[in-house]
Amino acid sequence: QITLTQQAESLWISPGERVSITCRASQSLLYTDGKHYLSWYQQRPGQTTKALIYHASVRTDGVPTRFIGSGSGTEFTLSIEHVQPEDFAIYYCLQTLKSPSTFGSGTKLEIK
Amino acid sequence: EVQLQESGPGLVKPSQSLSLTCSVTGYSITSNYWGWIRKFPGNKMEWMGYISYSGSTSYNPSLKSRISITRDTSKNQFFLQLNSVTTEDTATYYCASGRRVFDYWGQGVMVTVSS
Repeated sequence: QITLTQQAESLWISPGERVSITCRASQSLLYTDGKHYLSWYQQRPGQTTKALIYHASVRTDGVPTRFIGSGSGTEFTLSIEHVQPEDFAIYYCLQTLKSPSTFGSGTKLEIK
Repeated sequence: EVQLQESGPGLVKPSQSLSLTCSVTGYSITSNYWGWIRKFPGNKMEWMGYISYSGSTSYNPSLKSRISITRDTSKNQFFLQLNSVTTEDTATYYCASGRRVFDYWGQGVMVTVSS
């Protein structure tokens, strides 16, 4: 199965700063249709898990433009510009290229 | 608005079966894919499997023959059954929609396996 590595278990930042969360796959997530099957999710206490980004860089409906997905092949990044108080949460990457779908280990964004 | 809600017992004894229900509103389960995901203490997430709009299923091989996902289209619900549970199955269980992207999630239900 494909392994996703999120190196940082936690990141401490101040509101207003920019942060990048990385996700590395054990093999390329590029499919023959030209799309990468890598998505990003946000988990906040008391809220349902939210899909932020799919196909590596496409924001889902209603997701603020400060969330930016980038990357290709095996290296992917979720960047958050001007972090807001509501952005302190756990972020997961997920690959759905090959079954079983697998998640990264999660990165918790914490207030410095 | 699509909403999913998990329900089921919060405590299950070792060797017994874990059974959960996901009730869906705002979208018919005869469209799309509907799955189960769990989050272990320590935050590790595991995709368990899904049932499709046609009723076909796909499971994580790590769960071998212990898992079954079924549905009741008349009630717009789908179900998880996990057999022969151990303490290693203690987790928060989520239902979610989608196959390539998990668009909508339930709030999750915490299940503890303990005697």
